[in-house]
Amino acid sequence: SYELTQPPSVSVSPGQTARITCSADALPKQYVHWYQQKPGQAPVLAIYKDSERPSGIPERFSGSRSGTIVTLTISGVQAEDEADYYCQSSDSSGTYVFGGGTKVTVL
Amino acid sequence: QVQLQQWGAGLLAPSETLSLTCAVYGGSFSGYYWSWIRQPPGKGLEWIGEINHSGKTNFNPSLKSRVTTSLDTSKNQFSLRLSAVTAADTAVYYCARDGGSGYYHAFQRWGQGTPVIVSS
Repeated sequence: SYELTQPPSVSVSPGQTARITCSADALPKQYVHWYQQKPGQAPVLAIYKDSERPSGIPERFSGSRSGTIVTLTISGVQAEDEADYYCQSSDSSGTYVFGGGTKVTVL
Repeated sequence: QVQLQQWGAGLLAPSETLSLTCAVYGGSFSGYYWSWIRQPPGKGLEWIGEINHSGKTNFNPSLKSRVTTSLDTSKNQFSLRLSAVTAADTAVYYCARDGGSGYYHAFQRWGQGTPVIVSS
């Protein structure tokens, strides 16, 4: 089955840049989306269609794609950005798949 | 702004059927796909299935044999039923709506989540 791979954890100091990758053996042509989830809360859509930012999401969140790797970048990390982040895409049959999640720790 | 509010039984015995409902406030069903997603304790997200405004469904192959979804447009609600549950189905279950055209099946709106425990 299709899988999206993320690093389990990323640590960053306040004000620095956090980069979270999402990869697959053959990243599909379908777009990748990113979600932020804080403890005890539902996920929030942070980036869609690889690099589009929904209204209400701070500009420090951005997304990019290079080949088979998609990256969520948080520039100027703030303490409130500490959360789990998940990438999501779909396979050729229309099944939606999530990455395993990355815990971002703000030191 | 659209809001999703969900409810359902939180404690089930093995072999019973999980039943959850999600109400949609501030929007219509048309033009969107309505999904169920779950998250086992301490683990990641798993998509269960979706239904659109015309009743077209799509399910995760790993759960397809046990899942049914339905919608009631008169009440602005959609529902999930998962049969023959086991302890492995213990999770927080979320209802969600995609962003519509241009969002390419990104889940833009989420319910608050319903914890479901399967235990004898």
